[in-house]
Amino acid sequence: EVQLVESGGGLVQPGGSLRLSCAASGFTFSNYWMNWIRRAPRKGLEWVANINKDGSAKYYVDSVKGRFTISRDNAKNSLYLQMNSLRVEDTAVYYCVKDVRDWGQGALVTVSS
Amino acid sequence: DVVLTQSPLSLPVTLGQPASISCRSSQSLVHSDGNTYLIWLQQRPGQSPRRLLSQVSNRESGVPDRFSGSGSGTDFTLKISRVEAEDLGVYYCMQFTHWPHTFGQGTKLEIK
Repeated sequence: EVQLVESGGGLVQPGGSLRLSCAASGFTFSNYWMNWIRRAPRKGLEWVANINKDGSAKYYVDSVKGRFTISRDNAKNSLYLQMNSLRVEDTAVYYCVKDVRDWGQGALVTVSS
Repeated sequence: DVVLTQSPLSLPVTLGQPASISCRSSQSLVHSDGNTYLIWLQQRPGQSPRRLLSQVSNRESGVPDRFSGSGSGTDFTLKISRVEAEDLGVYYCMQFTHWPHTFGQGTKLEIK
């Protein structure tokens, strides 16, 4: 069974940083592209970033380029999202997603002073 | 960026009745490889999203056959033949033919 477990969410002030982690199990992690997708309060889903199988290619939505960095460690079956210069509008539940098919339970990130 | 426009945004339904959601794209979603990467997702209250349909009309494992998808190019439709209580939630179309991947705004299916 595919399991994706996010951690690292929390409350941070504007301009601050957070690092989300996603522990993957139940599949061969290194065989799949991985994504971070978010849902802001009272809003819809937004794709944030994804990364190819070996981590050599990364793509971001314009609103996070230069501030967020996606990475992975295939030896540890883990996906990461380093979020810097956080803004109020980054407040959302962040989902770790395999193949846009399997989703984690989400990690809440709240950016507020 | 590709804009996906869903309608309606709110869909009050009577249990046992059909429901239909439209998703229109600002560009053709036919990829250069000939496939159309348009999927439908369901998000029930308090749960993570769940993929219902892949490539317009292919049901995922475990998805009831009352869910069906159709369309091509820029116009797509999700249909539920007879709505059940467990179907309540928000439905999204999403495309990954073009970068960046984009979602529709979501359609909230609720009891009339």
